[in-house]
Amino acid sequence: AQTVTQSQPEMSVQEAETVTLSCTYDTSENNYYLFWYKQPPSRQMILVIRQEAYKQQNATENRFSVNFQKAAKSFSLKISDSQLGDTAMYFCAFLLMNRDDKIIFGKGTRLHILP
Amino acid sequence: SAVISQKPSRDICQRGTSLTIQCQVDSQVTMMFWYRQQPGQSLTLIATANQGSEATYESGFVIDKFPISRPNLTFSTLTVSNMSPEDSSIYLCSVVPRGNTDTQYFGPGTRLTVL
Repeated sequence: AQTVTQSQPEMSVQEAETVTLSCTYDTSENNYYLFWYKQPPSRQMILVIRQEAYKQQNATENRFSVNFQKAAKSFSLKISDSQLGDTAMYFCAFLLMNRDDKIIFGKGTRLHILP
Repeated sequence: SAVISQKPSRDICQRGTSLTIQCQVDSQVTMMFWYRQQPGQSLTLIATANQGSEATYESGFVIDKFPISRPNLTFSTLTVSNMSPEDSSIYLCSVVPRGNTDTQYFGPGTRLTVL
């Protein structure tokens, strides 16, 4: 069975700093997706970034980038030049590719951006 | 992505009553899911809503308690039946848009409080 672990329940950083959220996962499969979702206090879950396991290049979306280490089964999220609006819960998630399976979420990291 | 709406956005209900939550998408989707998220927690999958047939429920969730309908490719309902305070939670629908590769997008959620 697949598992996703987020070891940081809560983090705080100053505005404009760079912050890295950790995520590790466990699977014996080779083809899968990894996601980071953001859930602000408004509770809408927003897709931040997606990575296909077969791609070696790390995904990037503006200020958000990932460090995908497949051998280490690590998928960290880096937020550069953090903004107050980045304050949210961040969930790492795993999904097997081309399989009728459910997405597996980590327990989340609550990120506070301080003014 | 897809634009997803949920009704109601929040409700306060009495013990023993039932509430039906609607999820509407602005385009046809291949898959629709219902999740529960208790305060400060991660997401728990309730069921996969199947178009024209019975939903597929996860362990711990049953049709009598959480009946689900999906009459077409853009609409689904989740009913929380015979509610108790333990059902107080956020309920989210998510979809995989047609033509998308397995990525789930989430509705804004329904915050339910049972007194």
